[in-house]
Amino acid sequence: GAGVSQSPRYKVAKRGQDVALRCDPISGHVSLFWYQQALGQGPEFLTYFQNEAQLDKSGLPSDRFFAERPEGSVSTLKIQRTQQEDSAVYLCASSSARTATTEAFFGQGTRLTVV
Amino acid sequence: GNSVTQMEGPVTLSEEAFLTINCTYTATGYPSLFWYVQYPGEGLQLLLKATKADDKGSNKGFEATYRKETTSFHLEKGSVQVSDSAVYFCALSSPVQMRFGAGTRLTVKP
Repeated sequence: GAGVSQSPRYKVAKRGQDVALRCDPISGHVSLFWYQQALGQGPEFLTYFQNEAQLDKSGLPSDRFFAERPEGSVSTLKIQRTQQEDSAVYLCASSSARTATTEAFFGQGTRLTVV
Repeated sequence: GNSVTQMEGPVTLSEEAFLTINCTYTATGYPSLFWYVQYPGEGLQLLLKATKADDKGSNKGFEATYRKETTSFHLEKGSVQVSDSAVYFCALSSPVQMRFGAGTRLTVKP
């Protein structure tokens, strides 16, 4: 596709459920980023992939969060045993560069609501 | 660590008014600096960027200059339009992480 695609756009989960959020980056983009955006805040870095390698996961808030990109294209962010504080918009971005020094293209995000 | 502080909003202006949204940063090394914009119902889009000191980024009438001496990257536009209503985010990059400010909501009234 022409841009970064995320699915689902909206997800409502009961507390304690596991969720999986999908990101389809722009074809050929080496770098893939996940961010968490709370209401009224800027995006907060979660994790970074260069191809299939997860080079930085320092922003993942707990061990309930797990991300993968097994073939270096599509990525999945999984949240286990969701909690109310996990409610946020989860943004995926991709870039042709191997660093964050050039433009990253963002998807529209998945809005997760934990009830 | 690296961080960005931007002017709190919301900001409400009349059409054709002058816009400034302040952004200052704290960083080690020499990060690249960005302004991203989020229009209602849309994803984040790059508005402009600067990769080294004294660089000026510009796009759609918006400008920002990378000022190392004041660690700032203020966004300016000489004459705003209703269509500029959006949330604006200042950001900086470390090698792989991009740090964003909290965002400034701009509303332009006719």
